[in-house]
Order: sequence, then structure tokens, then C-alpha cells
Amino acid sequence: AQTVTQSQPEMSVQEAETVTLSCTYDTSESDYYLFWYKQPPSRQMILVIRQEAYKQQNATENRFSVNFQKAAKSFSLKISDSQLGDAAMYFCAYCGTGANNLFFGTGTRLTVIP
Amino acid sequence: EAGVAQSPRYKIIEKRQSVAFWCNPISGHATLYWYQQILGQGPKLLIQFQNNGVVDDSQLPKDRFSAERLKGVDSTLKIQPAKLEDSAVYLCASSLRGGAGIPNYGYTFGSGTRLTVV
Repeated sequence: AQTVTQSQPEMSVQEAETVTLSCTYDTSESDYYLFWYKQPPSRQMILVIRQEAYKQQNATENRFSVNFQKAAKSFSLKISDSQLGDAAMYFCAYCGTGANNLFFGTGTRLTVIP
Repeated sequence: EAGVAQSPRYKIIEKRQSVAFWCNPISGHATLYWYQQILGQGPKLLIQFQNNGVVDDSQLPKDRFSAERLKGVDSTLKIQPAKLEDSAVYLCASSLRGGAGIPNYGYTFGSGTRLTVV
């Protein structure tokens, strides 16, 4: 079974600084998708960034980028120039190719300090 | 484009009572998902519909949970009777079709219903 592990329950960062959130996963599949979702107090899960496992190039979306290490089964999220609006729960998630089920980690609560 | 609508936003019930949650997916989305998110955990899939048929309900506690998606549009998730451990946020998501990872399928979550069982 696929498992997703987030070992940092809480992280904090100064506004305008950079922070990295960690995620590891376990799977026997060779092709899959990885995601980072943001969940603000409104509770809606918002997609931050997606990575296809067959792509060696790390995904980037504006201030958000990932460090995808397939062999190590590691998928970290880097947030640059942190803003107050980045404060939220961040969940790492896994999905097999063609599958429908998203497997989530336990989340990291990010606090941004003004 | 309207998002995934869910109601109610909050619900407090006593154990052994029944409760129902409603979800209206994005127009045109054939696939609908219900997730349970217990405090301190990530969401866990309960059931997936493709149009009005069930694709996966392997994680649904069928002795007390039921779900339906009549006419392949909106859906209702029911708990009867509720237990204390059912306290959680219930999230609905929808997509054009199955395949959570496919970028163009528009996999989108609603804002959920927070259930408290006392």
C-alpha cells in the first residue's frame, strides 16, 4: 500500500524568507503523481503544485518549487519569499497513474511570522 | 466557474443520531469523491462515484455510512447512527472523469462539512 509521511508537524518562517517542507512516500509503482496541497482555515484543499514521476525536471509554480528525488522517494516543497497568505496546513499527496485515490500525509502547519 | 458546493458548513449532533451531508459538484464533472479528514490527519477517501455508479467504496464503513448520487449530479453522504469517532471534516471533490493526477481533469475540492459528535 502507498504511504505518505510528513515528519514536520509544524514549521515557521519569517516573512520574505524561504522554507522547505519535507515529504517521503513509499510505493512499488514506477509511474505516479505527487502533489502539494494547501488547506487554509476555509478547509478547501487547494492544489499548490504537481509533479509527474516520469519527469526528471522539478516542477515550479511562481514562488513554489519542489525537489523530487525519485530514488530516495522524497518530495519536498520550497516556498520562496514567504507571504502572510502562505500560512496554512500543507499536505503532501500521492496518486498512481490512472488511479483515482489521493493518499495524503498528515500535514505540516506553516506559520508565517511578520 | 462555480466550485464544489457543500452544505451544511458545520453540524453538531449527539451520538447515535443520524446526519446527512450534501455535495453539488462542478457542472459537467462525472466523477465525485467523498473524503473523511479526522483532526490531525490527511483526508482519506470514503467513496468514489462515476456518474451515478459506485467505483470504489472499499473504505466506507457500510454498517453506518451510506452515500448516493442520484441522476449523476449531486450527492448525499449519510451517517446513521453516528459515533464519537465520526467527528471529522467531510470533504467532497469532483473531476471531469477519473484520474486524480491528470492535469486537465480539474480535480477540485469543496470547503467541507465539519461534523462534531458529542
